[in-house]
Amino acid sequence: QKEVEQNSGPLSVPEGAIASLNCTYSDRGSQSFFWYRQYSGKSPELIMFIYSNGDKEDGRFTAQLNKASQYVSLLIRDSQPSDSATYLCAVGGGADGLTFGKGTHLIIQP
Amino acid sequence: EAGVAQSPRYKIIEKRQSVAFWCNPISGHATLYWYQQILGQGPKLLIQFQNNGVVDDSQLPKDRFSAERLKGVDSTLKIQPAKLEDSAVYLCASSSGGGRAFFGQGTRLTVV
Repeated sequence: QKEVEQNSGPLSVPEGAIASLNCTYSDRGSQSFFWYRQYSGKSPELIMFIYSNGDKEDGRFTAQLNKASQYVSLLIRDSQPSDSATYLCAVGGGADGLTFGKGTHLIIQP
Repeated sequence: EAGVAQSPRYKIIEKRQSVAFWCNPISGHATLYWYQQILGQGPKLLIQFQNNGVVDDSQLPKDRFSAERLKGVDSTLKIQPAKLEDSAVYLCASSSGGGRAFFGQGTRLTVV
């Protein structure tokens, strides 16, 4: 059984600070790693994906992957109130469907 | 580019009734997924299609759930008979590869 673990939060971060979200996964054969943002009552929206060890940056978002530690993280710089949402970590194994964590509820305090 | 279309948006049924959901994926996306998201949980994969073939349905409760993807495009997911614990949001997603899945707006099902 593939598992993806996230701290459910809530994680409260002041506006303008860096929000750090973390995720661990159980299947060492996992090949693809994703972060989705989900606003209340809305569907998940893909914001970052990473396939190789290291960092990947896109605007204010940085995804970090450490396959040896089976650890994925998402950093959000200059956090804005509009970043307040649930962030879902998802892991895939090539052609497999994604296994999602339960999500971390992030609150950006103005 | 049009996104993933789903209908209906909301559905309320009594237990033991049947219900069907429809999904139209992003044009050209060969992979289509159905996920179930219970309140406070992450989405759970029910079934994955590659074109019109089933890749993974290991978590689909086959005694009551069925899904098909005719002609490798649109898909329907059916529940018969529904149970109270089936109350959830049913999400359809599609992908052109690399596992990058794009979700529709979902169908919120309430079973009473």
